[in-house]
Amino acid sequence: VQLVESGGGLVQPGGALRLSCAASGFTFGNYWMNWVRQAPGKGLEWVANVKPDSSEKFYVDAVRGRFTISRDNARNSLYLQMNSLRADDTAVYYCARDDGRSLRFSYFDSWGQGTLVTVAS
Amino acid sequence: EIVLTQSPATLSLSPGERATLSCRASQSVYTYVAWYQQKPGQAPRLLIYDASNRATGIPARFSGSGSGTDFTLVISSLEPEDFAVYYCQQRKSLLTFGGGTKVEIK
Repeated sequence: VQLVESGGGLVQPGGALRLSCAASGFTFGNYWMNWVRQAPGKGLEWVANVKPDSSEKFYVDAVRGRFTISRDNARNSLYLQMNSLRADDTAVYYCARDDGRSLRFSYFDSWGQGTLVTVAS
Repeated sequence: EIVLTQSPATLSLSPGERATLSCRASQSVYTYVAWYQQKPGQAPRLLIYDASNRATGIPARFSGSGSGTDFTLVISSLEPEDFAVYYCQQRKSLLTFGGGTKVEIK
């Protein structure tokens, strides 16, 4: 199992960024997928997840209405479109696979290495 | 939102000692709790799921217990590679993590 995030970088407050996660080594279309973030020196925060067929998506309150999770099963890829970015969105963003039990909310058994998003002027 | 409170924030122990980490939920989460280990510069690693089940490849020195609102992770005899930060996570209602416990070398 391999998950490789990309797309992070420095963006100004109010700006937008799109993160990508390339998956390999497993049948991507069978798993719920998640984004989890970690602010510098802080703990973990789940951000969003998406069902294998994209019919259900869930978000933490802090990003609902600003972030959009999506996936392309044909390309084995997960995305996070982040709009109206704020300083408190600064974090390492991890792509994480759920544990395969097809539950709406579950645990994360595989993680990428993360991509850093910095929101600053 | 279900809040998870981990204690202590820092645990200072020596290799070979027993580590006991606590996670308390603001309401019952049944046994829907996992534990993760995170080392500096690395992604978290799943250790325990559903309160007491070890994930694939996790050594037997790691054990979890609890139900309802109180959960415990025990490392029976600390190895040098076990010094890290540990997080609990619940899945009963959305997904939330505790603030973490750092296990440091005394």
